[in-house]
Amino acid sequence: AQSVTQPDIHITVSEGASLELRCNYSYGATPYLFWYVQSPGQGLQLLLKYFSGDTLVQGIKGFEAEFKRSQSSFNLRKPSVHWSDAAEYVCAVGAGTGNQFYFGTGTSLTVIP
Amino acid sequence: DTGVSQNPRHKITKRGQNVTFRCDPISEHNRLYWYRQTLGQGPEFLTYFQNEAQLEKSRLLSDRFSAERPKGSFSTLEIQRTEQGDSAMYLCASSSSGVTQYFGPGTRLTVL
Repeated sequence: AQSVTQPDIHITVSEGASLELRCNYSYGATPYLFWYVQSPGQGLQLLLKYFSGDTLVQGIKGFEAEFKRSQSSFNLRKPSVHWSDAAEYVCAVGAGTGNQFYFGTGTSLTVIP
Repeated sequence: DTGVSQNPRHKITKRGQNVTFRCDPISEHNRLYWYRQTLGQGPEFLTYFQNEAQLEKSRLLSDRFSAERPKGSFSTLEIQRTEQGDSAMYLCASSSSGVTQYFGPGTRLTVL
């Protein structure tokens, strides 16, 4: 069965520091992988996606993610965090005949000055 | 591209009442998905449509839940005889490619 694990429920970083959010998935085939950001009162905004090809993908707002098949991981990174990056980050894998998404439980990011 | 819209944004109801939510997808997106998100959890798949056909339903979608997409455009999700356990954020997403999904702001349901 498909599943997504985000081991870190909450992360606190200082503004300007680097960030890595972890995401591990379980899926039998080559997955479609996504990172979304969710702010209070907002829906899920797509940050980036991986379908195939280059395993390092660039997204919006300076985020990138790397697909590592051997580790079943799709970790999200940002070299320098801004206060406005504080939000909930959710990883998802698209699977099934309808490509419905399976989500992790999310990682809440706090940015301190 | 005006994005996915959902109405209402918030709904408070009493246990046992029926509620209906609406989702308007991005124009010409043929796939539409419903998810439910409870506090501290990621969204969970409920059902999806391709055009007007409802092609898959999750086991989470009990017989008190029904979804429609009558003309392949907007969709409604109805919950009958609401229970406190139905309190959640209900998210709608649409897709043209069947891969990338674009989400609406959600409808937050509170059942008292």
